[in-house]
Amino acid sequence: DIQMTQSPSSVSASVGDRVTITCRASQGLSSGLAWYQQKPGKAPKLLIYSASSLQSGVPSRFSGSGSGTDFTLTISSLQPEDFATYYCQQANSFPRTFGQGTKLEIK
Amino acid sequence: EVQLVESGGGLVKPGGSLRLSCAASGFTFSSYIMNWVRQAPGKGLEWVSSISSGSNYIYYADSVKGRFTISRNNAQNSLYLQMSSLRAEDTAVYYCARDKPQPIYASDIWGQGTMVTVSS
Repeated sequence: DIQMTQSPSSVSASVGDRVTITCRASQGLSSGLAWYQQKPGKAPKLLIYSASSLQSGVPSRFSGSGSGTDFTLTISSLQPEDFATYYCQQANSFPRTFGQGTKLEIK
Repeated sequence: EVQLVESGGGLVKPGGSLRLSCAASGFTFSSYIMNWVRQAPGKGLEWVSSISSGSNYIYYADSVKGRFTISRNNAQNSLYLQMSSLRAEDTAVYYCARDKPQPIYASDIWGQGTMVTVSS
């Protein structure tokens, strides 16, 4: 099984800051790395798919990059609505696995 | 409107069974891979199971293999998760989720979730 390790597990930042979250896979991924945002009591929301493709309707301040085993999600200028928990997921093979999550908190 | 609505959650005793349903609308259900993902209280997301559009391919997490069965009825635009031999650790919100059209593998539409509580 492919293990996904996210870092950091939590981060404090201010509105306007640039934030980067990292996800490392235990094996190289040929495809299928996605990033999700989840707010308390709500379902996850797809932000990025195929490592770097922006989901329709998602603001352009979100971007994804990486290949192989190392991937990043970057929020270029934090907005108040971006404070949430973020998860990476590999869908390269089954079982699909999520990272443990990164909680983005207001400083 | 593209929508997924789960139902069937509730309180069940350890060892018991429960069947979750997910009603799809607003898209051609029969064309999409569908998934179940769960989230225990205060914990992260856990992928549970996936089923291909024609039910030819089915996959399970090791934690539920042999106890849970995923199925779908394309004529009724419905996805199901039959859960048996339930354990306390199965307590979670269960989400159904649709994959984007192949060959992209990411879930772009999610239901609101249904809570399953396993407790005596």
